[in-house]
Amino acid sequence: DADVTQTPRNRITKTGKRIMLECSQTKGHDRMYWYRQDPGLGLRLIYYSFDVKDINKGEISDGYSVSRQAQAKFSLSLESAIPNQTALYFCATSEGGTGYTFGSGTRLTVV
Amino acid sequence: QKEVEQNSGPLSVPEGAIASLNCTYSDRGSQSFFWYRQYSGKSPELIMSIYSNGDKEDGRFTAQLNKASQYVSLLIRDSQPSDSATYLCAVQGGGATNKLIFGTGTLLAVQP
Repeated sequence: DADVTQTPRNRITKTGKRIMLECSQTKGHDRMYWYRQDPGLGLRLIYYSFDVKDINKGEISDGYSVSRQAQAKFSLSLESAIPNQTALYFCATSEGGTGYTFGSGTRLTVV
Repeated sequence: QKEVEQNSGPLSVPEGAIASLNCTYSDRGSQSFFWYRQYSGKSPELIMSIYSNGDKEDGRFTAQLNKASQYVSLLIRDSQPSDSATYLCAVQGGGATNKLIFGTGTLLAVQP
């Protein structure tokens, strides 16, 4: 099983719908992150969490919310999806000064 | 000025050649530096980390760090077509949050 699991892998949703992307990890890391990736723009940080009680906004948090249900689970919600939220979304985990481990990604299309 | 800059490429090299990928960063307090490989549509995969000035070798990969020049590079020796991917440079800032800042990546194409 993958260390960082994201569900769903692909999702097509309609404008205005609420959608949740889920991430779970078995690495035992405290730190978890949500990124989106768009062509030419690279990876942009949406939210991050250093423990269950710690949630922080990243550079592009507008239109998104998160929930850290447990050390191993970190969910990203789009409250009312819009087409420019179409992107590849990645969850990642880390421990201190080490590099991140990424999940396999969720390809989200908002029509 | 972007915090982490990379040439977007594509960088095209023949099979068997050395591919040289470069990255500059703006935060002088940065402590840790990483190279990720990302195949199209897939997730980034950590291939090298470097924390101190100089070279670090791992198989066909060598990472080079020069903190005075705020410059990180990745050399891939004996390049193979399977090395064709986007290479992301990531820099961990010196602040309390220790978040990684990613460059936009360099696309490497190894020609058979």
